Amino acid sequence: QKEVEQNSGPLSVPEGAIASLNCTYSDRGSQSFFWYRQYSGKSPELIMFIYSNGDKEDGRFTAQLNKASQYVSLLIRDSQPSDSATYLCAVKRANNLFFGTGTRLTVIP
Amino acid sequence: EAQVTQNPRYLITVTGKKLTVTCSQNMNHEYMSWYRQDPGLGLRQIYYSMNVEVTDKGDVPEGYKVSRKEKRNFPLILESPSPNQTSLYFCASSFDGGNEQFFGPGTRLTVL
Repeated sequence: QKEVEQNSGPLSVPEGAIASLNCTYSDRGSQSFFWYRQYSGKSPELIMFIYSNGDKEDGRFTAQLNKASQYVSLLIRDSQPSDSATYLCAVKRANNLFFGTGTRLTVIP
Repeated sequence: EAQVTQNPRYLITVTGKKLTVTCSQNMNHEYMSWYRQDPGLGLRQIYYSMNVEVTDKGDVPEGYKVSRKEKRNFPLILESPSPNQTSLYFCASSFDGGNEQFFGPGTRLTVL
């Protein structure tokens, strides 16, 4: 079983819509949860991190964590074409960081 | 400018020829890490270092070595590269490994 699983997509949404990205993780000992964005040919960059159950909002982005269900999600409101990228979910356990394979998002103008 | 640098950015080599990919950060970060990224497998951690002279294995350490003699540098060494080590490699650093990791630009390695 993979440590972190994501739907690889591609996920396409129209401009202005809400994009919903999902991630599940296998180890209940996981402590911290991250969403990274990676544009094609570029390195990953952090969008948000979350430690506690519930929602965390930052601008157009909302991360949601449900530890009981071992589920993390990222909502992008008012999606823009510049949001088109691959979104990587990452989970930290001890000193190791485990990444999912990423979901490719395309925002259609 | 705060950054993580990697060299070389692109490398084509042959099986068995030892190589080193350098990584350097100027943010005084204690934690540094190496990842490889492969299609369908995502980013996988190779080795990490919590501080100078402290290194530990990640998810896929076989075939790699690292050293951390100075805080700013964390080279990745392939003593005898094989074709299955053809990949995109990223170095990353963070203040303490807990939160944001800053990634270098990546090194695309091809082993023939």
